[in-house]
This record gives sequence, C-alpha cells and structure tokens, in this order.
Amino acid sequence: DAGVIQSPRHEVTEMGQEVTLRCKPISGHDYLFWYRQTMMRGLELLIYFNNNVPIDDSGMPEDRFSAKMPNASFSTLKIQPSEPRDSAVYFCASSSGNIQYFGAGTRLSVL
Amino acid sequence: GEDVEQSLFLSVREGDSSVINCTYTDSSSTYLYWYKQEPGAGLQLLTYIFSNMDMKQDQRLTVLLNKKDKHLSLRIADTQTGDSAIYFCAERSRDDMRFGAGTRLTVKP
Repeated sequence: DAGVIQSPRHEVTEMGQEVTLRCKPISGHDYLFWYRQTMMRGLELLIYFNNNVPIDDSGMPEDRFSAKMPNASFSTLKIQPSEPRDSAVYFCASSSGNIQYFGAGTRLSVL
Repeated sequence: GEDVEQSLFLSVREGDSSVINCTYTDSSSTYLYWYKQEPGAGLQLLTYIFSNMDMKQDQRLTVLLNKKDKHLSLRIADTQTGDSAIYFCAERSRDDMRFGAGTRLTVKP
C-alpha cells in the first residue's frame, strides 16, 4: 500500500479564498483523522471519522472549517474563507486499530 | 484535561545514547507511542508499548514505561546524525489519542 496520500503537498493562497485539502486513507482503514500542526500550538486534532461518519469535530476551530468523507477512500478538509492564521501543516492519518499512520501533510500558506 | 508533556529540545553527540522523556496524566491509557518526524515529512511510527508492559526493545530503540509515575522514555543507542528529528510521545485511551509537543533531537558529529 502507498500509505496515506495527501494533496496538494503545498498550497499558497490569498486571504478570503477557499482552500480544499484532500486525503486518501490506507485501504481497509476505518478511522480517518485530520490534524493541524503549528509551531505555537503543536499538533491539534481537528476532526475524526469512523466508517465515514464524523465522530468528534470539537477540534474544528471555526465554522469556516468543514470536513467530509463521502466514501471510505476519500476525505476533504475545506476552509472557506481562509485567513492568514490558518497557515499551518495539515495532516491526515488513518487507522484500523491502535496505530495511526500519517500522510506527508499539506503545507498551507495564506497570504 | 488530560495532558502529555515532553521537553522541547535534546542535543547529543554522535555515538552517544539519547533519552527522550515523556509524562502523561491519563491513568486509563492503553497504548503509548513514539513517533518520529523528519523535516517536511509526516509523523512516522517508531514503536509503541501496551500499558501492561514495562519495557520494549527494538534494535537501537528501548522504550521504558513506569505506569505508576505515568512516565515513558525512549532511549536511542549509538545515536546517528540521521536520528536528528522531532520525536512525539502519544498516548491512547478509549477513542482519544493525545500527542505531546515533540522533542527536537539534534545530533552533533
């Protein structure tokens, strides 16, 4: 398996624009997680899904953030409108048991 | 709330042993993990230990768990420059998984 695949690897956008981050989990995994990593706040869990259903979105910072998982092999994290303080590395991870496997991340810069 | 804490920086010389420490507060933790993050990359699982174990060894890596003190450590023997990275401690209880802030290990030649 190729592991967790995230796209794009880098995204540069202007304030106010919509940003969509994508994730393909490892086949057969039934949990999917979205994290945000910044120097100031470290690694923060934003939301996670189990069998495509959002279970806990208490980490989503604002209504500008939304996440979907339309099927077992794809998830998106959308920010609309984006703000400079959203600049961070966003990681997707998937698991089928007790180990989470991380993607390489999307580095987002909002100017 | 529950917390995972680790020191932010560690610097060692090549060939020495590195010991990275972590403390956690959740007494219901079932699994504890060490992840490694290299620059520009995601977190890579290094090793993990079940909470009813007190030690696990895997080649140059030794994990020690003191469940009474809620203290976890990662020892890297014969540290190499390629070990320079950020090391994250994480603990899992029920459906929650919490990460520490990461320890940046610098290995000097």
